[in-house]
Amino acid sequence: AQRVTQPEKLLSVFKGAPVELKCNYSYSGSPELFWYVQYSRQRLQLLLRHISRESIKGFTADLNKGETSFHLKKPFAQEEDSAMYYCALIQGAQKLVFGQGTRLTINP
Amino acid sequence: NAGVTQTPKFQVLKTGQSMTLQCAQDMNHNSMYWYRQDPGMGLRLIYYSASEGTTDKGEVPNGYNVSRLNKREFSLRLESAAPSQTSVYFCAIRVGGMETQYFGPGTRLLVL
Repeated sequence: AQRVTQPEKLLSVFKGAPVELKCNYSYSGSPELFWYVQYSRQRLQLLLRHISRESIKGFTADLNKGETSFHLKKPFAQEEDSAMYYCALIQGAQKLVFGQGTRLTINP
Repeated sequence: NAGVTQTPKFQVLKTGQSMTLQCAQDMNHNSMYWYRQDPGMGLRLIYYSASEGTTDKGEVPNGYNVSRLNKREFSLRLESAAPSQTSVYFCAIRVGGMETQYFGPGTRLLVL
């Protein structure tokens, strides 16, 4: 069965430090992966998709099929990056499978 | 932006009471979803609807029913609420052909 694992429930870093949120997945085919973010008192929203190979708000994520990982990275954290982050995987044609989430706190 | 709206925003129920969570979209998309969000569990799919008049179970459907009577609305019903259903409930729609989902603001439900 497809699974998404985010091993860190909480992650705290200082402003200006690099950030890496880990995501590992299990999937038998070619995965389509996403990162979603939920800022305080806001709705969950898409941050980036692996298929687009884009950088959003300074974040990037590279799909590593050998390690079955899709870690989210940012070289210099900002206070406004504090949020809940979810990694997600497409299951079939309709459904997303989410990881447990990582709460990122950026300390001033 | 409206997009996906949910009502109510917050609700307190007693064990055994029933209620319906409403979700409406103005984006004319076929697929709609209901998730629950619990600490340490992420988001788990309760039910989804690929189109008007069709619904399918997700990962955690027990204790819930859904209704998709038209393209715009997708409701989630708790017939007999239990404390284990205390959660934040999110409705979402599938956007275009990119497999991304757009979420509503959520409904916080507390069952005592």
